[in-house]
Amino acid sequence: SQKIEQNSEALNIQEGKTATLTCNYTNYSPAYLQWYRQDPGRGPVFLLLIRENEKEKRKERLKVTFDTTLKQSLFHITASQPADSATYLCALPNTDKLIFGTGTRLQVFP
Amino acid sequence: GVTQSPTHLIKTRGQQVTLRCSSQSGHNTVSWYQQALGQGPQFIFQYYREEENGRGNFPPRFSGLQFPNDSSELNVNALELDDSALYLCASSLEAIPDEQFFGPGTRLTVL
Repeated sequence: SQKIEQNSEALNIQEGKTATLTCNYTNYSPAYLQWYRQDPGRGPVFLLLIRENEKEKRKERLKVTFDTTLKQSLFHITASQPADSATYLCALPNTDKLIFGTGTRLQVFP
Repeated sequence: GVTQSPTHLIKTRGQQVTLRCSSQSGHNTVSWYQQALGQGPQFIFQYYREEENGRGNFPPRFSGLQFPNDSSELNVNALELDDSALYLCASSLEAIPDEQFFGPGTRLTVL
């Protein structure tokens, strides 16, 4: 069956470092992959979309890679700040719906 | 933006609930998700131009409506304890969207 896996353990990093989050999927061939940010008690906020023919996409301090051979996307936040602390979700389209991973909680400490 | 009401709701097992969503203006697609604590959003169903356009693995007691005025609702009958979750609606321009705009959610607690 189709599956999306994100590291369920929280990622704790020091301010200024680069945070790297992983999204792995199986039994999918998605045309694109999305990343969202979710703060506690709030709805997810769209960050980036990367298509299957794109290897890398950047937006300000964010960088996403998409390796369709490894079936993996990496999400990087460079020069991380405490305000980046949140849960980050990846999502992939599957026929008529988006499937979300469980998310990885990022904690950036000063 | 996308708004939802109410913010919080407490119901007892067996009751019925209606949650409401106001989509971003001009968006013809609304999707509803259930998010349990510590989990990602789970797709319930989607409405496109007032017709159901896809459904996840949820029983028929979860139903919905979409209205022409950018509003929609999620109805859940015969509430069960496991229905306690954050319910999110998301609006988009397309059925399989490049980007969805989520509301803040309704926190439903079933006692």
